[in-house]
Amino acid sequence: AQSVTQPDIHITVSEGASLELRCNYSYGATPYLFWYVQSPGQGLQLLLKYFSGDTLVQGIKGFEAEFKRSQSSFNLRKPSVHWSDAAEYFCAVAHLYNQGGKLIFGQGTELSVKP
Amino acid sequence: DGGITQSPKYLFRKEGQNVTLSCEQNLNHDAMYWYRQDPGQGLRLIYYSQIVNDFQKGDIAEGYSVSREKKESFPLTVTSAQKNPTAFYLCASSTGLAVQETQYFGPGTRLLVL
Repeated sequence: AQSVTQPDIHITVSEGASLELRCNYSYGATPYLFWYVQSPGQGLQLLLKYFSGDTLVQGIKGFEAEFKRSQSSFNLRKPSVHWSDAAEYFCAVAHLYNQGGKLIFGQGTELSVKP
Repeated sequence: DGGITQSPKYLFRKEGQNVTLSCEQNLNHDAMYWYRQDPGQGLRLIYYSQIVNDFQKGDIAEGYSVSREKKESFPLTVTSAQKNPTAFYLCASSTGLAVQETQYFGPGTRLLVL
């Protein structure tokens, strides 16, 4: 069965520091990969997605992610974190054979930002 | 502004009671979804609908029911058969069911049991 793992439940970084959130997936073929962000008590917003082509994808709010097939990873990065980036981040995977284009989500990583 | 609205923001359920969560979208999307979110877990799919008058069970449909009588509306009923309903419920929509389609999420409804 497909699965998505986000190894870090909670990460704290200082404002202005760089950020990397990890995501690993298990699936044989190339999946469709997504990163979403959720502010407290809110819905999810799409940051970026990867379907094919260039393995480094740019998203909104200065985020980027890199697909590494050999490591089954799709880590999210940001060079300089802002206090407003504090939120929960979800990695998700889908593939052509998912029922109804279903997204499978990781457990989420909560990001705290220190002043 | 186009978007997805969910109401109410908070909902309280008594034992043995059915409650209905509202989801409305004005994005002209064909596909709509309901997810459940529990602390420390990702989102899990309850039901989804591709078109009006059609819907399919997701991974955790037991204790829930839906209807899709209008394109813009996809209400979720949490029945008394759902023994652990306390969770954050998120509605989403997309242009279609293809995996390439971005799902847009509403602000969510938090359901609590009295």
